Amino acid sequence: GENVEQHPSTLSVQEGDSAVIKCTYSDSASNYFPWYKQELGKRPQLIIDIRSNVGEKKDQRIAVTLNKTAKHFSLHITETQPEDSAVYFCAALRLNNDMRFGAGTRLTVKP
Amino acid sequence: NAGVTQTPKFRVLKTGQSMTLLCAQDMNHEYMYWYRQDPGMGLRLIHYSVGEGTTAKGEVPDGYNVSRLKKQNFLLGLESAAPSQTSVYFCASSYSSFEAFFGQGTRLTVV
Repeated sequence: GENVEQHPSTLSVQEGDSAVIKCTYSDSASNYFPWYKQELGKRPQLIIDIRSNVGEKKDQRIAVTLNKTAKHFSLHITETQPEDSAVYFCAALRLNNDMRFGAGTRLTVKP
Repeated sequence: NAGVTQTPKFRVLKTGQSMTLLCAQDMNHEYMYWYRQDPGMGLRLIHYSVGEGTTAKGEVPDGYNVSRLKKQNFLLGLESAAPSQTSVYFCASSYSSFEAFFGQGTRLTVV
């Protein structure tokens, strides 16, 4: 089955710095790669996603890149702010609509 | 528009008891998922459904059963609860390879 690996498990940055979280997947047939943000005690919410026919997507301070050959994708957050502190999850969707998540990255932005 | 609603929000069970978690969505989504979330392990897929009357196993299906008799509802059952099933359970729904919307979660403790 699909296996999604996510690194690092924790990340601490200074406010204003950039943060990068990386994920790899095992099923080359996966075609949709969302990123979710989960604040403490809340449900996960989509922040950005990318499809297999696109290499990069950007939305204000957030960007995602996808390398299908290497089977990895990354989340980039620029000009980090304290409210970016949360747990971030990557996921990969297979052709049979089985969606698997990474183990999560706890991001802390220090003011 | 309620989105995805889970019932109950909290529950304490004794080992060996049974219970059913209900997930209801009002977005006419075809796909529904049940995940469990444990510290350091991210969101692990238990079972999922790609349409009314269909179900499929995820990565951690043992000890759980599901049913999707109506398109809007996805039920997760625990026949004989074990302490290892103590977790936060999230339901999600989506339309094909698009954003998955999550419920608010159910915190289950098995003693």
